[in-house]
Amino acid sequence: AQKVTQAQTEISVVEKEDVTLDCVYETRDTTYYLFWYKQPPSGELVFLIRRNSFDEQNEISGRYSWNFQKSTSSFNFTITASQVVDSAVYFCALSDGVGANSKLTFGKGITLSVRP
Amino acid sequence: GAVVSQHPSRVICKSGTSVKIECRSLDFQATTMFWYRQFPKKSLMLMATSNEGSKATYEQGVEKDKFLINHASLTLSTLTVTSAHPEDSSFYICSARVPGRGTASYEQYFGPGTRLTVT
Repeated sequence: AQKVTQAQTEISVVEKEDVTLDCVYETRDTTYYLFWYKQPPSGELVFLIRRNSFDEQNEISGRYSWNFQKSTSSFNFTITASQVVDSAVYFCALSDGVGANSKLTFGKGITLSVRP
Repeated sequence: GAVVSQHPSRVICKSGTSVKIECRSLDFQATTMFWYRQFPKKSLMLMATSNEGSKATYEQGVEKDKFLINHASLTLSTLTVTSAHPEDSSFYICSARVPGRGTASYEQYFGPGTRLTVT
């Protein structure tokens, strides 16, 4: 069975602080995808990144960076110099393989509050 | 990019009535759509997988007679909550999968969600 654990439930930081959101996953598949989504108060899920299981390169996109480590089954997300607009719920998700029958399993989400 | 719309964005209905939520893929054809339910401050729970032209596959514990799903075309899936009760009040989110090319592709785009309140 697939499982995504986001142990942190709520994080509060002051603007300009760096913050790391943790994600640990479990899967028996050798091919899988990991995702991060942002859900602002409006409710719409915003896609942030997709990473496949064969690509362990870390990725940086502006103030966002992701650290994928298969050895620890983790896919952590760091926001550098946080801003108030980063306040949202962040979900890590795992797809159980590829193909027509694959489905996304979401973690419970982390509520990030960035205070001015 | 791929856009998924949902209508309505908010709906209030009385107990015992039915309400239909539409999910459309605007600029691509989606053979597979998904319906999720999200309670306040909770994660997204997959309710069912909808494949165009066939019956939806429901997750364990989801009442198929209560949550009717119809995927009549490659761009439209509907979720009908029948005989709604206050406990059905929730945020319902659909997503549509972009058809993959081989096994390397997996793209799933989400609609903006529909907030259902049953009074």
